[in-house]
Amino acid sequence: AQSVAQPEDQVNVAEGNPLTVKCTYSVSGNPYLFWYVQYPNRGLQFLLKYITGDNLVKGSYGFEAEFNKSQTSFHLKKPSALVSDSALYFCAVRDPRDDKIIFGKGTRLHILP
Amino acid sequence: KAGVTQTPRYLIKTRGQQVTLSCSPISGHRSVSWYQQTPGQGLQFLFEYFSETQRNKGNFPGRFSGRQFSNSRSEMNVSTLELGDSALYLCASSLAGVSYEQYFGPGTRLTVT
Repeated sequence: AQSVAQPEDQVNVAEGNPLTVKCTYSVSGNPYLFWYVQYPNRGLQFLLKYITGDNLVKGSYGFEAEFNKSQTSFHLKKPSALVSDSALYFCAVRDPRDDKIIFGKGTRLHILP
Repeated sequence: KAGVTQTPRYLIKTRGQQVTLSCSPISGHRSVSWYQQTPGQGLQFLFEYFSETQRNKGNFPGRFSGRQFSNSRSEMNVSTLELGDSALYLCASSLAGVSYEQYFGPGTRLTVT
């Protein structure tokens, strides 16, 4: 069965330090992978996606993610965290064979000043 | 361009009643998806419409239904409301294909008493 796992409910990072939010998936074939962010009292916003090509994709607000097919992972990263990055982050996977989309449970990111 | 709009923003209903939620996608977007967001279950996919046809459906009971009109606007209906239907209902639109990112509306907060 298709699944997406965000193993950490919460991640705490000091401002200025690099951050990683983890995502692993279980989808056969070549899935489409997405990251979305939900700021307090604001809607979900698209950050970045991997469809094909270069395994390292760059997105909004300085975020990037690396697609690793052998480890079926798509971790979100940022070299230097900002307090304003504090939000709820969702990984999503879409299986192009049946169009079904699955969201992870979300990871709450706290950037400590 | 105007974003995805959802009406109403807040709704209080009684068990057993029915409710209709409305979503207007970004101009030019032909795909509309609906999600239920709760603290315990996260984001769960309800259904997706593309050019007035339901393209995909999640694992929700038949009490949850939807439709899309020729102008791409979409409605979601929940009949015989249960307490467990209390949630934030999110609508998202995208250009067309499954490789496209989704743009989310602010959501409708439904409370069932």
